[in-house]
Amino acid sequence: GENVEQHPSTLSVQEGDSAVIKCTYSDSASNYFPWYKQELGKGPQLIIDIRSNVGEKKDQRIAVTLNKTAKHFSLHITETQPEDSAVYFCAAWGRNQGGKLIFGQGTELSVKP
Amino acid sequence: DAGITQSPRHKVTETGTPVTLRCHQTENHRYMYWYRQDPGHGLRLIHYSYGVKDTDKGEVSDGYSVSRSKTEDFLLTLESATSSQTSVYFCAISSGVSGRTDTQYFGPGTRLTVL
Repeated sequence: GENVEQHPSTLSVQEGDSAVIKCTYSDSASNYFPWYKQELGKGPQLIIDIRSNVGEKKDQRIAVTLNKTAKHFSLHITETQPEDSAVYFCAAWGRNQGGKLIFGQGTELSVKP
Repeated sequence: DAGITQSPRHKVTETGTPVTLRCHQTENHRYMYWYRQDPGHGLRLIHYSYGVKDTDKGEVSDGYSVSRSKTEDFLLTLESATSSQTSVYFCAISSGVSGRTDTQYFGPGTRLTVL
């Protein structure tokens, strides 16, 4: 079936450094790619998303890039802060998936002060 | 959490008992979803609804049923709970406006333990 692979599963960085999380997807018809941040004991919160008609989108310290040819997309966090520590999920949505979001397995990001 | 509440937030139950989880939204969104979250599996779709009384199965629907009698409420029922259904359950909603079923917003979750 359709799937989304996310790497790495854990990531530890020093405060101020950059963090990059990568996802690959299998459904070539996927056209929407959201990223969610989940803090301990809370539900996932949408932090940024990108649609297939653009290659990059930025929002302050976070950015997402999309390579449709290679079927992968990445989340970039610059100038990381301790409050960025959380689990991050990527997802892909496409017609071949019956109009459903398929999620990656998650990345636990730890930012050390 | 985008006008979404889930109840209860925590529940401990015994194998074989029925359990109902409730999701309530104040956004008047057409689409509602139930996911379960387990370590190493991310979020997996159980069932979803595309309108009142209109529901469909997700990838892990066995052992679960759902009902939606009002736009704002979506119920998830475990007819006879098993230990494999111990998980954190999340409700999500999307507007469906202009075909936008893709952007989903999540509730705070329900932690269910089946002993």
